[in-house]
Amino acid sequence: EGQLVESGGGLVQPGGSLRLSCEASGFTFSSYWMNWVRQAPGKGLEWVANINRDGSAKYYVDSVKGRFTISRDNAKNSLYLQMNSLRADDTAVYYCSGSSGYWGQGTLVTVSS
Amino acid sequence: QAVVTQEPSLTVSPGGTVTLTCGSSTGAVTSGHYPYWFQQKPGQAPRTLIYHTNNKYSWTPARFSGSLLGGKAALTLSGAQPEDEADYYCLLSYSGVGEVFGGGTKLTVL
Repeated sequence: EGQLVESGGGLVQPGGSLRLSCEASGFTFSSYWMNWVRQAPGKGLEWVANINRDGSAKYYVDSVKGRFTISRDNAKNSLYLQMNSLRADDTAVYYCSGSSGYWGQGTLVTVSS
Repeated sequence: QAVVTQEPSLTVSPGGTVTLTCGSSTGAVTSGHYPYWFQQKPGQAPRTLIYHTNNKYSWTPARFSGSLLGGKAALTLSGAQPEDEADYYCLLSYSGVGEVFGGGTKLTVL
């Protein structure tokens, strides 16, 4: 049974940075595209970014382009999201997921002064 | 980016059948949008039910099925159970651009 575990969330001031991590286990991580998805309090799901199997292709929602960077390390079965220039409207639970079908439990990012 | 539309809410009777749809502002949804369907219950992470239009995972209950219907992606629930009450989201892929979630459908089993 596959599993994804996110970490790295927390409280950060506007303009600050955070790096989220997602560690995969129980499935062949390198075989799947991976996504970051977020959900603001009381709102629906929003796709944030994805990355192909070898990390050579990356796509982002317009609102995070130039601020967020998705990456992966297949040797460590890990996915990352570097978030810079954070804004209040980035406040959300951030999930990693992928074409494997598995989801993490989410990590909360709160951007506030 | 494209806008993906879903019914805001639907109600189904226990044992009944309901179809949720997922449309795209760019035109007809095709298999090339690789439609996904997800279920989310309050306080829980989403769960993937359907991938690439109509494929199921090992954990997907047999009563759920995916298809293309009238230019939209569709999720059909046949024989609704009380535990199927949840929010349902579709996700469409736009080649070279990225992916977009629909706004979600709140399904009530009543």
